[in-house]
Amino acid sequence: DTGVSQNPRHKITKRGQNVTFRCDPISEHNRLYWYRQTLGQGPEFLTYFQNEAQLEKSRLLSDRFSAERPKGSFSTLEIQRTEQGDSAMYLCASSLAGRAQNYGYTFGSGTRLTVV
Amino acid sequence: QKEVEQDPGPLSVPEGAIVSLNCTYSNSAFQYFMWYRQYSRKGPELLMYTYSSGNKEDGRFTAQVDKSSKYISLFIRDSQPSDSATYLCAMSGLGGNEKLTFGTGTRLTIIP
Repeated sequence: DTGVSQNPRHKITKRGQNVTFRCDPISEHNRLYWYRQTLGQGPEFLTYFQNEAQLEKSRLLSDRFSAERPKGSFSTLEIQRTEQGDSAMYLCASSLAGRAQNYGYTFGSGTRLTVV
Repeated sequence: QKEVEQDPGPLSVPEGAIVSLNCTYSNSAFQYFMWYRQYSRKGPELLMYTYSSGNKEDGRFTAQVDKSSKYISLFIRDSQPSDSATYLCAMSGLGGNEKLTFGTGTRLTIIP
């Protein structure tokens, strides 16, 4: 088990371009979370999946953001028409439902997005 | 006002000192309290968790929760240079989504 894997590690894009990030969770984990972390701040919740179902989205997730988790395995987060304010670290985490509060999430190392 | 407040530091202490890190919160619905450690360019990793009020000890680390004051603390004894990292408090309620609300993080440096 190699933990939670996120790709790419870094992404630099021009404003207005679309970007897509990928997260591969721990295989037996049925929950997958996306968080965003800006410099000097803690992670903020964006959305989460249980298996393939997207169960909750934050108000932070504007209509330019879309996330999927086909077949309940890996997940993708797409940002359309990127803006400079989207520059942040995008963190993916996975867990077993009902156990996160006792055992925590397993976070990936994140994808750092820079919009220029 | 943020739901969770945490002094961002930075905090520098000499090796071997006792470190005290704190968070306050405003949401009475929070029942689970966690401390995560985040090294540079890495994702957070869970250090300690506590349910409701009380103390919990794990090696050099002690977590305290005082729900009446809406105040949580993490103490690190005999601090080591390897403890240098950002420490994030995180909280969640009883809802089934288990989503976390994080503090801003405190950047800690242990000076050899």
